[in-house]
Amino acid sequence: AQTVTQSQPEMSVQEAETVTLSCTYDTSESDYYLFWYKQPPSRQMILVIRQEAYKQQNATENRFSVNFQKAAKSFSLKISDSQLGDAAMYFCAYRTTSGTYKYIFGTGTRLKVLA
Amino acid sequence: KAGVTQTPRYLIKTRGQQVTLSCSPISGHRSVSWYQQTPGQGLQFLFEYFSETQRNKGNFPGRFSGRQFSNSRSEMNVSTLELGDSALYLCASSLVAGGLSSGANVLTFGAGSRLTVL
Repeated sequence: AQTVTQSQPEMSVQEAETVTLSCTYDTSESDYYLFWYKQPPSRQMILVIRQEAYKQQNATENRFSVNFQKAAKSFSLKISDSQLGDAAMYFCAYRTTSGTYKYIFGTGTRLKVLA
Repeated sequence: KAGVTQTPRYLIKTRGQQVTLSCSPISGHRSVSWYQQTPGQGLQFLFEYFSETQRNKGNFPGRFSGRQFSNSRSEMNVSTLELGDSALYLCASSLVAGGLSSGANVLTFGAGSRLTVL
């Protein structure tokens, strides 16, 4: 069975600095999707960025980028020029392209942005 | 366009009672999935519905059930509530379900229903 691990329950970053959130996963499949979702305090969860496993190029969305290491089964999220609005819970998620197609989420990393 | 709407947003129940939560997906979205979110456990998948059929089910006891209507709205029911059922229940919709699309299904989440069991 697939698993997703986020080993950092909480992280802090100074405003305008860069922070990297870690995510590792375990799977025997070769094709899958990876996501980072953001859940601001008392607000809805939204998609930050996604990565298809067959693509070698790391996904980028403005200040958000990923470091996808398929062999190491690692999928970290880098936030550049951190802003106060980036404070949230961040969830790493895995979705297979076969079988049950369920999403599997990590336990989340709470990011605090310090002014 | 309107997002995913979940009702009620907050509710308090006592042990042994039952509860029904509702989710209205984004117009045009036919897949609805449900998750239980608790501190330290992250999001645990409950079930997914597509075109009124349950396509996937997580590892939850039979007290947790759901259904989807012809207009894609979905409900989930928890019977014989236990203290451990206290959680934020999230609903998410997407255009298609699972492997019916060659692309990744992006989930759009609702604000959640926070259930407290006393």
